[in-house]
Amino acid sequence: QKEVEQDPGPLSVPEGAIVSLNCTYSNSAFQYFMWYRQYSRKGPELLMYTYSSGNKEDGRFTAQVDKSSKYISLFIRDSQPSDSATYLCAIGYSTLTFGKGTMLLVSP
Amino acid sequence: DTEVTQTPKHLVMGMTNKKSLKCEQHMGHRAMYWYKQKAKKPPELMFVYSYEKLSINESVPSRFSPECPNSSLLNLHLHALQPEDSALYLCASSQVYKTQAVANEKLFFGSGTQLSVL
Repeated sequence: QKEVEQDPGPLSVPEGAIVSLNCTYSNSAFQYFMWYRQYSRKGPELLMYTYSSGNKEDGRFTAQVDKSSKYISLFIRDSQPSDSATYLCAIGYSTLTFGKGTMLLVSP
Repeated sequence: DTEVTQTPKHLVMGMTNKKSLKCEQHMGHRAMYWYKQKAKKPPELMFVYSYEKLSINESVPSRFSPECPNSSLLNLHLHALQPEDSALYLCASSQVYKTQAVANEKLFFGSGTQLSVL
């Protein structure tokens, strides 16, 4: 079993939709959880960072962590075409382990 | 300022060339990283420098040679690369690198150098 599993997509949604992106992980030692957004041929940009179970909100983005289920989610409300990118979950103890990334396409 | 600057943005080199990638950060971070990313794949860790000392080398071939001249700069020297080394090379930094992380190891990435080896 891979340490971090993430559906690669692509996930296509219309503008204004609520998007749900998810990752599962296997190592219960993982302690911190991040979501990165990566546009084509650019470096990943840190979107959300959380250390504990529960929800964290930042504007249109909500990160959710369920340590008991080893499951993390990123929700995007009122999605925009500019949100079209690859979203990588990154889960860490010492170094980060990245998911494969989910490609999101938001159509006008 | 949460910027990590990488140069050049694009690089094309032959298999006999020697070139260097450069990375700079002015956030006062004491940990710097090199990652390699192939298309449609996640970043793969290559090297970690902590307080200017090499802490992790993820079994990277010797044709890649990292250097950390000071706490703000990180170089990756390239020599005798192969076409399969073509990828996006990403530099990143964090406040510190801990072998047993507790929290707050946010990683900030540069825009990367797109390398093509002919």
